[in-house]
Amino acid sequence: GAVVSQHPSRVICKSGTSVKIECRSLDFQATTMFWYRQFPKQSLMLMATSNEGSKATYEQGVEKDKFLINHASLTLSTLTVTSAHPEDSSFYICSALSHATNEKLFFGSGTQLSVL
Amino acid sequence: EDKVVQSPLSLVVHEGDTVTLNCSYEVTNFRSLLWYKQEKKAPTFLFMLTSSGIEKKSGRLSSILDKKELFSILNITATQTGDSAVYLCASILTGGGNKLTFGTGTQLKVEL
Repeated sequence: GAVVSQHPSRVICKSGTSVKIECRSLDFQATTMFWYRQFPKQSLMLMATSNEGSKATYEQGVEKDKFLINHASLTLSTLTVTSAHPEDSSFYICSALSHATNEKLFFGSGTQLSVL
Repeated sequence: EDKVVQSPLSLVVHEGDTVTLNCSYEVTNFRSLLWYKQEKKAPTFLFMLTSSGIEKKSGRLSSILDKKELFSILNITATQTGDSAVYLCASILTGGGNKLTFGTGTQLKVEL
């Protein structure tokens, strides 16, 4: 199956700093990528849809200035958590849409963010 | 508001047991329902169901969709400890840009 690489897998940072998370489709082109957030023992919540070459579409309640998304190429989308605070601590997962495999979504391995 | 509900929330069984996980949905413009298995990190794809009444099978796992009653089930027969995971179902809408709405998940633990 298609491979989506997400980096870093774990990051610990101080409150007030910014953290960038990368999501790459390794063997396919992904015009659309999705960013999710997951709290412990809860389901995946969609944060935003990232489209290559255009602005991301954010879900209701997600601050676009807080969670900056850039999808500059067909294989890379980045999520930057700006001025992180402890309440931003969570598990962030990206997924990429592969048209080649009948529009299936493939997930990255996730990033555990801990803000001290 | 679109909603996907899974039951039970958690389940503990013994190896060899058969389990049935439930997923009901209330969504407008429904297209398909997907099942994922999530262990420690990213969800892995299990099934995509679009048509009602057609069972999909993969080894000991099978799933079926009922579009009239708006639910799906995931069956696992002869469970093994490696089946322990969170099982997520998600709805995908027509014209929804492939956005998934996830259910709360069912935490399955298979004991020896």
